[in-house]
Amino acid sequence: DTGVSQNPRHKITKRGQNVTFRCDPISEHNRLYWYRQTLGQGPEFLTYFQNEAQLEKSRLLSDRFSAERPKGSFSTLEIQRTEQGDSAMYLCASSLAAGEGIQYFGAGTRLSVL
Amino acid sequence: QKEVEQDPGPLSVPEGAIVSLNCTYSNSAFQYFMWYRQYSRKGPELLMYTYSSGNKEDGRFTAQVDKSSKYISLFIRDSQPSDSATYLCASPGFQKLVFGTGTRLLVSP
Repeated sequence: DTGVSQNPRHKITKRGQNVTFRCDPISEHNRLYWYRQTLGQGPEFLTYFQNEAQLEKSRLLSDRFSAERPKGSFSTLEIQRTEQGDSAMYLCASSLAAGEGIQYFGAGTRLSVL
Repeated sequence: QKEVEQDPGPLSVPEGAIVSLNCTYSNSAFQYFMWYRQYSRKGPELLMYTYSSGNKEDGRFTAQVDKSSKYISLFIRDSQPSDSATYLCASPGFQKLVFGTGTRLLVSP
């Protein structure tokens, strides 16, 4: 499978715990994006990387959230001191920088904060 | 006002019907438009993208853009129960996609 891969698919945690999600993009894609989607809403942009550089962060990305993309390959999204409002689907997408930059999405990680 | 607006539905149709899904957008800078399909508890899957005004056809799907009225449509011919999903329209705004809320479509056999 050469698509975008996300792990875990589902994470259940207690409020106050830290969680980390991983995204493996399509291998030749140099851009990687994180989005958050809540029930009944479209995905909302969180942040994106070009290679290893984090180029933009949304105001939705509070200081409890941090994302990394070491060596420009896979990326991790960490949420510290989780809150119930963090419960959502976290989606990763990747694209090429050139051309139309079509973004291809992974299956997402569903976070449930109890 | 959201930059991309969609009626959330649900839209219920019988199998074989022609489906019309619509979006409006407010940002005149938007040049590309995409339609993604999202099955329950799955990630969005790209269906179609279009750059200019006019129609683009791919099998049973036709995407239509009217930039003068800032209106985007997706038509599905001969709808199938397997088309039951949420359809999201989106446009790239400064490297990130701006999505509508999605329209939930239910096609009954």
